[in-house]
Amino acid sequence: DVVMTQSPLSLPVTLGQPASISCRSSQGLVHSDGNTYLHWFQQRPGRSPRRLIYKVSNRDSGVPDRFSGSGSGTDFTLKISRVEAEDVGVYYCMQGTQWPQTFGQGTKLEIK
Amino acid sequence: EVQLVESGGGLVQPGGSLRLSCEASGFTFSNYWMIWVRQAPGKGLEWVANIKKDGSEKYYVDSVKGRFTISRDNAKNSLYLQMNSLRAEDTAVYYCVRVDGGYAFWGQGTLVTVSS
Repeated sequence: DVVMTQSPLSLPVTLGQPASISCRSSQGLVHSDGNTYLHWFQQRPGRSPRRLIYKVSNRDSGVPDRFSGSGSGTDFTLKISRVEAEDVGVYYCMQGTQWPQTFGQGTKLEIK
Repeated sequence: EVQLVESGGGLVQPGGSLRLSCEASGFTFSNYWMIWVRQAPGKGLEWVANIKKDGSEKYYVDSVKGRFTISRDNAKNSLYLQMNSLRAEDTAVYYCVRVDGGYAFWGQGTLVTVSS
């Protein structure tokens, strides 16, 4: 199985400051169809995961443009340009290139 | 609007059984693979099982093989997870998820608690 490793696991951030989460995969995530199925999810307390970014860098509808995704190969990053209070929660990367789909351990973002 | 609504969770004793259901609406259910993902209290997300569009292929995480069975009824737009021989470590919120290019749609989850 592809192992997804996130860092940091805890991310205290001051309101209005940027934040960055790294996700590394144990194998390359380029599918035979040419797509890279690396996605980012946000899970607010008590809620289901919500997808923010799909296929590395595509922002979902309704997701603020302060969220962005980048990366290639085995290294990927989720960035928040200016953290707001509503961004508190746990962020997961997930790969869907190879089955079974696997998740990172999660990064807990909190306000400092 | 795509909706996935899980049900069937609850408190069960170790060794017991439960059947989870997920009712889908807002899309052509038979066109999609579906998966179950679980999340133990305070823990991360773990894939449990998936099933092909027509139900002809099924895959499971090793920890549930032989105990859990995923199935679907495309006529009823429903996904199921039959869970037998439940263990304390199966305690989790169980989500059904539509498999598409990016796993965008998740249900609200149903809590399974295995405890005596």
